[in-house]
Amino acid sequence: QVQLEQSGAEVKKPGASVKVSCKASGYTFTSYYLHWVRQAPGQGLEWMGIISPFSGSTWYTQKFRNRVTMTGDTSTSTVFMEMSGLRSEDTAVYYCARGGGISTSAIDNWGQGTLVTVSS
Amino acid sequence: DIQMTQSPSSLCASVGDRVTITCRTSQVITNYVAWFQQKPGKAPKSLIYAASNLQSGVPSRFSGSGSGRDFNFTISSLQPEDFATYYCQQYNSYPFTFGPGTKVDVK
Repeated sequence: QVQLEQSGAEVKKPGASVKVSCKASGYTFTSYYLHWVRQAPGQGLEWMGIISPFSGSTWYTQKFRNRVTMTGDTSTSTVFMEMSGLRSEDTAVYYCARGGGISTSAIDNWGQGTLVTVSS
Repeated sequence: DIQMTQSPSSLCASVGDRVTITCRTSQVITNYVAWFQQKPGKAPKSLIYAASNLQSGVPSRFSGSGSGRDFNFTISSLQPEDFATYYCQQYNSYPFTFGPGTKVDVK
């Protein structure tokens, strides 16, 4: 079955960087796009961007374009989301989620989420 | 960017009730709308894609419809495990925006 296993919770100081991983299993890694979505405490879902594990191509929401980098490692079926210049408002649960074989495909499976806390 | 609105923002219902949530987009899109369920402290769960198609394993009491700018999500007979927050999302064009959510609570 499809599984997306994310890395553990992180506590970071303002200005630091964080790198969250998402290891995929149960399907052909390079055949499906992967999304990153975040959720601040008590807030709704915010779509951050998307990566093609096959080509490495990415698209980021304007809000994150200067601070977020999404990458993939086909040898370990893992995607990464790295965010720099962390601020308190980046405190959130970060989810990876599997899309489809083309970029305009719906999300069908979600990782368990990774809590990133930014605090001095 | 395509903006998504959802109504109502919250509702109270009883087991067995029919519940309908509406999502409106800021521009006409294809049927590239998905619906998700989220319970407190849990990851979202995918329910519907392409406006009206159930994801694998999703009970048939959930359904979706709509086109253009207006999309509906319906639970035909609310079950105890359905009390949660529901989100719509458009994946017609980047960025793939979510609606603000609708919380379904116990009456």
